[in-house]
Formats: sequence, structure tokens, C-alpha cells
Amino acid sequence: RKEVEQDPGPFNVPEGATVAFNCTYSNSASQSFFWYRQDCRKEPKLLMSVYSSGNEDGRFTAQLNRASQYISLLIRDSKLSDSATYLCVEVSGTYKYIFGTGTRLKVLA
Amino acid sequence: EPEVTQTPSHQVTQMGQEVILRCVPISNHLYFYWYRQILGQKVEFLVSFYNNEISEKSEIFDDQFSVERPDGSNFTLKIRSTKLEDSAMYFCASQGVSEYEQYFGPGTRLTVT
Repeated sequence: RKEVEQDPGPFNVPEGATVAFNCTYSNSASQSFFWYRQDCRKEPKLLMSVYSSGNEDGRFTAQLNRASQYISLLIRDSKLSDSATYLCVEVSGTYKYIFGTGTRLKVLA
Repeated sequence: EPEVTQTPSHQVTQMGQEVILRCVPISNHLYFYWYRQILGQKVEFLVSFYNNEISEKSEIFDDQFSVERPDGSNFTLKIRSTKLEDSAMYFCASQGVSEYEQYFGPGTRLTVT
């Protein structure tokens, strides 16, 4: 069975800290990955795509490591508004999303 | 910015009743999906739909479930005879051609009593 695994957390970090999450996947043939953000009882919202070459968007950096089959998300200069659950997504060959359980982040004032 | 919409936001129904959850995908998208999330658990794939037919369905999507695109804009999920364990958030998502990003609607919270 194909699984996407994440540390559920919570990660409690002070404002301004740098925090990193990893996510492992089991299908070596998978080509596309995403990070989504989910606030409590809300829908997943696309945060960023993940490429082998790395992808940076402001304070967020995503990276794919194919050899070890994991993806990562780095958040620099954490804001209170970054508090959410971060969902790792592996895209199967048929486009369906396989979600991880999510990693909860709490940024503390 | 175009967005996926879903109605109702919350549906309460009795066990054994039929429910229809509605979604309006982003207008130029061609791939449509239903996912569900039981409280405290991960988001799970139910079904994908393309070119007016089901592309793929999960083990969860049994004979009690069906999907339809009745009029070219709405995309519906019907649960024929609801069970207590169907209580969950149901998210619709749509995806454009030549991209992998899926955009999710705000969800319908289904409560089966």
C-alpha cells in the first residue's frame, strides 16, 4: 500500500524561528508533489509545488530528494499566521492526490 | 480569482437517508474530484471524474456512492443510504488541463445521526 508519512507534531516554535518538516513517500515513480496548508476545519489550500531543483516562494522553500524519497518544507521567519497543518501530497500516475496525515505547526508569540 | 464552491456548507441527515452534495468547479477545469476527511484524520481520495465518466475510485467509493455532472457546471456526489461512518467533511476539487494543481472547495460537513 502506498503511503505518505509525516510527523504529526505539533511543532511549537517562537515567532521568527525557522522550522522544517519532512514527508516520506513510497512510490519511487511518483513525479509530482505539493505542500498544502489546512486551517482548522477548512479546505486544503495550495502552498507550493515541489521540484527536484527546489522551489522558493518568499519565506517558504520546498525540496524534493528522490534518492531518499522525501520532500521537505522550510519556513523562515515564522509568523503567527503560519500556524496551521501542513499537508504533504504525492500525485499518483492517475492524478489523484495521496495526502499525508499533516504536520501541525503552532507559532507562539 | 476563480474558486470552487460547494453547497451546502453543513448537512445533517438521518442514517439511511440519501444526500446530494453539490460542487461548482472552476469554469475551465476538466478534472474533478471528491475527497473526504473524517474529523482528526487525513484527507482521503474518493473518486476522480473526467470527460463525463469516472476515471478512478477508491475502496471507500462503494455502490452507495455516485457522481454526476448533470448540467456542465455542477458536479454532485450522492450517497444513497447514509451510514454513521459517512460523517465527515467532503471536499470537491478541480484541476485544469496540463497542470497537476488541484483547487479545493470549502467543503460540506456531513453529519449522519
